[in-house]
Order: sequence, then C-alpha cells, then structure tokens
Amino acid sequence: ETGVTQTPRHLVMGMTNKKSLKCEQHLGHNAMYWYKQSAKKPLELMFVYNFKEQTENNSVPSRFSPECPNSSHLFLHLHTLQPEDSALYLCASSQDLGGASYFEQYFGPGTRLTVT
Amino acid sequence: QKEVEQNSGPLSVPEGAIASLNCTYSDRGSQSFFWYRQYSGKSPELIMSIYSNGDKEDGRFTAQLNKASQYVSLLIRDSQPSDSATYLCAVNPYSSASKIIFGSGTRLSIRP
Repeated sequence: ETGVTQTPRHLVMGMTNKKSLKCEQHLGHNAMYWYKQSAKKPLELMFVYNFKEQTENNSVPSRFSPECPNSSHLFLHLHTLQPEDSALYLCASSQDLGGASYFEQYFGPGTRLTVT
Repeated sequence: QKEVEQNSGPLSVPEGAIASLNCTYSDRGSQSFFWYRQYSGKSPELIMSIYSNGDKEDGRFTAQLNKASQYVSLLIRDSQPSDSATYLCAVNPYSSASKIIFGSGTRLSIRP
C-alpha cells in the first residue's frame, strides 16, 4: 500500500448503529487529520493529531470520537449519527517540522458515509 | 471576512487557453500556500505549494504569491479537458500552526 488509505470506501448506517472509519498512512508522517466534506460546502477540519496527541478539536459533536494509537493509524468512531452527518469523510497526513509552517497534506480517497 | 476566499465559478475556459484561478486570504502572517485539485467524487490532490513571493512553475502549472496583497493564484497553461475539476486554495495561517484552512473552491470547466 502507498500513500494514505481509508476503509471502508462506502458506509451506510442507521442512526442507532456504531461504526468506525479507519485511516492508515504509509508516508512516514507524524500528523494526521480528519475532515468532513458535505455537498457544496468547503472542507471542514474535524480533528488534528500530532505525534499521536490530539491538538485540534474543531467543536465536533461527541457522536464523533477519534482515536490515534500511533502515527500511522487514525480511527473515527461513529455512534448515534444524524442524517445531516452524511458526507465524505477524508483523512490526511503531513509531516510536522516542529515550528516550520510547511504543511503539505496528502489525502486518502475518503469514506462516503450515508446515515439513514 | 472568510479566512480563505475563492470565486466559486464555474469558470469556463476554451481548450488550449490559460485558466487563471485566484484566492485571497485574511491572515497577513500566513506562510504556506497550497493548491489542490478535486475531481467530482474524489479526494483533493495536491498540485502546487508555494512559500515565497513570486512565481513557481511546475509543468503547465504556475503558482503566484503576493503576500503584500494577500493573494495567491494558479495559472494553468494549454488547458485540457482533463483539467476540468474544482480547485481548492489552502493556507497555513500564522494564527494556527497545526492546520491549513481551505477555501470553498473554484469549479473550472474546459470546453473543447
């Protein structure tokens, strides 16, 4: 595998279900991100992890729960979602140079989530 | 004022012409600037990054940065139908070192 991978690519879940999205980066990066992209809206940053520590939580509802066990893996645990949470969920990674502001982020293919 | 602003388009350009995409940003201390291309239903793909004032060329793409005026642009020469996509401008603001802010994107259509 190369780059950033995400599974599953498509997910349909009911509002009472619990599911998880998985992201894995093969680039040797130390920062990982979750974004949400809804139709006709800009990319919304959800969470940032740097060296496995969460550094940003962009006022995301608690029904979204991230987990970063190591610098290569990132999960997004989902429970009791709402139909308006249907969107493309994108994972990205970058190399944090510790003070230098060069943040070339590379995206995975995304998970298309539909909440019924 | 939005942190990163782009004209949503659609911008229609004839095949072979130069497509010019513009972006303005609000954080004057921003240091890093990026252009992503996103095809419908796909994830964003990084095509250019620029950090210093002036032009940076890569193949048919040229990124231009003017920090005094707080704008960054992307020129696509010899536009091809395969360039039809949404182009996202992204900025790493000085106020928040751990993230980049995306604009809403400009939809570009290359007509044969």
